[in-house]
Amino acid sequence: DAGITQSPRHKVTETGTPVTLRCHQTENHRYMYWYRQDPGHGLRLIHYSYGVKDTDKGEVSDGYSVSRSKTEDFLLTLESATSSQTSVYFCAISESWKAFFGQGTRLTVV
Amino acid sequence: DQQVKQNSPSLSVQEGRISILNCDYTNSMFDYFLWYKKYPAEGPTFLISISSIKDKNEDGRFTVFLNKSAKHLSLHIVPSQPGDSAVYFCAASGTGNQFYFGTGTSLTVIP
Repeated sequence: DAGITQSPRHKVTETGTPVTLRCHQTENHRYMYWYRQDPGHGLRLIHYSYGVKDTDKGEVSDGYSVSRSKTEDFLLTLESATSSQTSVYFCAISESWKAFFGQGTRLTVV
Repeated sequence: DQQVKQNSPSLSVQEGRISILNCDYTNSMFDYFLWYKKYPAEGPTFLISISSIKDKNEDGRFTVFLNKSAKHLSLHIVPSQPGDSAVYFCAASGTGNQFYFGTGTSLTVIP
């Protein structure tokens, strides 16, 4: 168990509202990631971080922003949620060449 | 363009038989290849991996084969058990701690 906690686990929000998902790790890993999982698309990288205040975009970053003010916390923000952002979101950390995932957050935008 | 591909969305196998899940990749610079297993409503969990300098890695009922010339890897599960029913993701990692995932194969093991 890599000590990754995602919150909330489930959320329903309205179109146009801001949403923040939190990922917390207890292992002090440098690299953290946000993925989304959608049918037919697998796991797609949204943003990742390689240290406090060091972040970069992934392949599906439009409409998302991230922040990492502490090693243990990586926040994903949807500034104005859209229905296309309905998905399951996974946070991950990497330890050497392996990635470990949190339990996921199911987000529904109505 | 997707760098890791799993062309079979689903696979059904009888209990006790072999399950073979396939994965193709395009980038010859990947250092490691990994397989993850995912149950519904849970996060993916690491299953087995192989370094790019090897062609086989075995862990119990799970064996991963790597064919670098064909840019192809496969996961063999022998014997398959009903508890193996899950979605399996192939992944590759390279420089910069980047991970690239396939679209997944849903395995059903029929009792």
